[in-house]
Amino acid sequence: KQEVTQIPAALSVPEGENLVLNCSFTDSAIYNLQWFRQDPGKGLTSLLLIQSSQREQTSGRLNASLDKSSGRSTLYIAASQPGDSATYLCAAANQAGTALIFGKGTTLSVSS
Amino acid sequence: DADVTQTPRNRITKTGKRIMLECSQTKGHDRMYWYRQDPGLGLRLIYYSFDVKDINKGEISDGYSVSRQAQAKFSLSLESAIPNQTALYFCATSDPTGDQETQYFGPGTRLLVL
Repeated sequence: KQEVTQIPAALSVPEGENLVLNCSFTDSAIYNLQWFRQDPGKGLTSLLLIQSSQREQTSGRLNASLDKSSGRSTLYIAASQPGDSATYLCAAANQAGTALIFGKGTTLSVSS
Repeated sequence: DADVTQTPRNRITKTGKRIMLECSQTKGHDRMYWYRQDPGLGLRLIYYSFDVKDINKGEISDGYSVSRQAQAKFSLSLESAIPNQTALYFCATSDPTGDQETQYFGPGTRLLVL
C-alpha cells in the first residue's frame, strides 16, 4: 500500500530564502506525483505534476523533482515571499485515473 | 466562475440526519472524486467515478453513498450522519486525455455533525 510522508510538518523562514520541501513515498511504481498548495479554509490548487518518466518540472519560482529509485520528491521554492505562506501537499497516483494518496502536508510560513 | 463548485460550503447537521453534498464541474472531465480531509490524517478518498455509469469505492466508503447524475455532477450522501464524519469534504475532477491527469479541486464543504 502506497504511503506518502512529508517532512517537516511545519517550516518558518524569512522572506527571500530559498527552501526545499520534502516528500517520500513507499511504492516506486507511481504513475505521477503532484504538488498542491492549500490556503487556510480553502481548496487545493495544483502547482506541479511530474510524470513517472520525468525527473523534474518547473513553474516560475517553483521546481519539483522526482527520484523514483529513492522514493523521493522535492519542491524547491526560490526567493520565498510572504504570499507563499500556505500548506503544501504532495500526492502520488499509482495508476492512471486512480485516486491520489496524499501526504499530510508541510505548513510554510514566510515572514517579511 | 469556478470550474469545480461545491454546495453547500458549510453545513451543520445532527446525528442521524441524511444529508447530501453536491459537486458540479464545467471542465468537461469524465473523472470525478470525493475526498475528506481531517486534521492530522490528510486527504482520503471516499468514492470515485470514471464516467456516468462507473462508481468505485475508495479507502473510506463506509457510511457514504454517491450518485453520478451526469458527467458534470457527482453527489455524496451521508445516509445517517455521525459525529466522526465531521470533516472538510472535497470534490475533484481529472481528464485522462489531457494535462497528464492533473486533479482539480473544488473549494470544499465544511461539515459539522453534532
